[in-house]
Amino acid sequence: AQKVTQAQTEISVVEKEDVTLDCVYETRDTTYYLFWYKQPPSGELVFLIRRNSFDEQNEISGRYSWNFQKSTSSFNFTITASQVVDSAVYFCALRRTSGTYKYIFGTGTRLKVLA
Amino acid sequence: NAGVTQTPKFRVLKTGQSMTLLCAQDMNHEYMYWYRQDPGMGLRLIHYSVGEGTTAKGEVPDGYNVSRLKKQNFLLGLESAAPSQTSVYFCASSYSSLAGVYNEQFFGPGTRLTVL
Repeated sequence: AQKVTQAQTEISVVEKEDVTLDCVYETRDTTYYLFWYKQPPSGELVFLIRRNSFDEQNEISGRYSWNFQKSTSSFNFTITASQVVDSAVYFCALRRTSGTYKYIFGTGTRLKVLA
Repeated sequence: NAGVTQTPKFRVLKTGQSMTLLCAQDMNHEYMYWYRQDPGMGLRLIHYSVGEGTTAKGEVPDGYNVSRLKKQNFLLGLESAAPSQTSVYFCASSYSSLAGVYNEQFFGPGTRLTVL
């Protein structure tokens, strides 16, 4: 069975704090893709990153960084020096590469960054 | 490119009424999806399509029908709306490269539907 768990329902931080959003996935496949999306209060879903299962290198993009660890089936997302504009719901998703065309989404983590 | 567009943006229905939500994409993507988003439940897949003329059920298909007569359009129909179908509906599209790389989904802006 494929599953994505985002155990943190809601996180509140004060501006400039660092925050990590957890994503744990389950799959028996050896090849798969992982994604993060951001949904700001305006409602649209914005793609942030894609990672395939063969690439365990961590990635940094400005204040955003992602830590992919196959050993713990986790794909965590860290925001450094958070800003109010980072307030959003963040979704982690999994896609297999065979047998299905579906993307499996976690239930999301609502991040509130307080000024 | 407009990307993925959805029509309408908002709609209020009475129980038992029918309606169709239209999703259009101009990126020539093969795959299209309909999701519903409810508080605390993330995105749940209603139906999807892997190509023109094909559709398949997702995890919550009951009460909905879909059609993909043209590659760029994916229609979601509610034949007899129920209050439980009050939700925000998102359409998405995606593609895979010749090398079998599976890419991200591109989402529409959403349709907020209220069924009274």
